[in-house]
Amino acid sequence: QVQLVQSGAEVKKPGASVKVSCKASGYTFTSYNIIWVRQAPGQGLEWMGWINTYTADTKYPQKVQGRVTMTRDTSTNTAYMELRSLTSDDTAVYYCAKDGSEPTVDSWGQGTLVTVSS
Amino acid sequence: QTVVTQEPSLSVSPGGTVTLTCGLNSGSVTTNYYVSWHQQSPGQAPRTLIYSTNTRSSGVPNRFSGSILGNKAALTITGAQAADESYYYCVLYMGRGIWVFGGGTKLTVL
Repeated sequence: QVQLVQSGAEVKKPGASVKVSCKASGYTFTSYNIIWVRQAPGQGLEWMGWINTYTADTKYPQKVQGRVTMTRDTSTNTAYMELRSLTSDDTAVYYCAKDGSEPTVDSWGQGTLVTVSS
Repeated sequence: QTVVTQEPSLSVSPGGTVTLTCGLNSGSVTTNYYVSWHQQSPGQAPRTLIYSTNTRSSGVPNRFSGSILGNKAALTITGAQAADESYYYCVLYMGRGIWVFGGGTKLTVL
């Protein structure tokens, strides 16, 4: 069955960078795209970006444009999300999710808590 | 700027029916947005209930259904159970790799 397994929790200092991984299994990795979503404490879900796993094309919201980079490694079926120049506002659980044969979210990873604290 | 609207909170009696909606601040939600609905309990990852407007995800009880009602997407729970008390989020695909989430609805079953 489809599984998206994310890397473990991270604690970072302000100004640092974090890279979260999302390893996919149970389907053909390059057939479906990955989106990244975050959830700050007590808040809703926020779209962080999208990567076409076949072409490596990406799209980011303006809010994080310039600080985020999404990549993928087709040899290991893993997607990555790197966020730079971290501030306390970036403290959140970060999720990866996949789309299906249509551009609709149909599966989620378990989430990765990123804490930014001095 | 595109804003996806959801009711902040709703309540339903056990065994009752409730409809959660997902709208746009400008325009109508149609099947072209490939709406999906996700349930999230505190401390848990979201779980997909409905994708592509009205397709139930594997293992999701058939008391959950998705549709377009008027100019909004809708998630209807028929025969609500205590286990359905949770947060529900819709997400729309806007095209060109862009996605927008609604603010979420907190559903209380009482």
